[in-house]
Amino acid sequence: AQSVAQPEDQVNVAEGNPLTVKCTYSVSGNPYLFWYVQYPNRGLQFLLKYITGDNLVKGSYGFEAEFNKSQTSFHLKKPSALVSDSALYFCAVRDILDNAGNMLTFGGGTRLMVKP
Amino acid sequence: SAVISQKPSRDICQRGTSLTIQCQVDSQVTMMFWYRQQPGQSLTLIATANQGSEATYESGFVIDKFPISRPNLTFSTLTVSNMSPEDSSIYLCSVDDEASGRHGETQYFGPGTRLLVL
Repeated sequence: AQSVAQPEDQVNVAEGNPLTVKCTYSVSGNPYLFWYVQYPNRGLQFLLKYITGDNLVKGSYGFEAEFNKSQTSFHLKKPSALVSDSALYFCAVRDILDNAGNMLTFGGGTRLMVKP
Repeated sequence: SAVISQKPSRDICQRGTSLTIQCQVDSQVTMMFWYRQQPGQSLTLIATANQGSEATYESGFVIDKFPISRPNLTFSTLTVSNMSPEDSSIYLCSVDDEASGRHGETQYFGPGTRLLVL
């Protein structure tokens, strides 16, 4: 079975400061890892993914994430936060060796609050 | 990426009634997925819908409560039957990025249907 943990319910950061939203995962095989963002009254928007290759992946809106296999982590980062980044962020995993093949498992979500 | 629309965007319903949510995709896809997001919670997969076959339901979800139709490769419906206040949630449909040829990688989501049951 696969699982995702986002240990922080909320992250507060000042505008212009770097931000990190943490994510750890558990899968049987090799993971596909994703970050999604949900703005108020909106659906989920895809930010970035790790499938294979370079451990540092870059995505939309200046976000990036680093895949760390030894620590089973996939933390989301941004060098300089904007107030408009305030939203709910979800980490998700897919186990490519899972017979179901298609199940996307989500973490509990982390609310990012960027203050001016 | 696929463009996904859902109808209705929100609704307020009385307990005991049923609501059918529509999901339309701008390209043909093999599988469509239905998720539920309860207030303040994460997303939980309800079922996977393939065209021409019965939907596959996840543990805790049953066809009588959440019947799904998949009449063609661009459309699906989810019905929430005999609703109770506990069914108040956001319901989202999603599809794989099949156009890229890398099936099984990215899932794209519709805007969601916000349901409140009184």
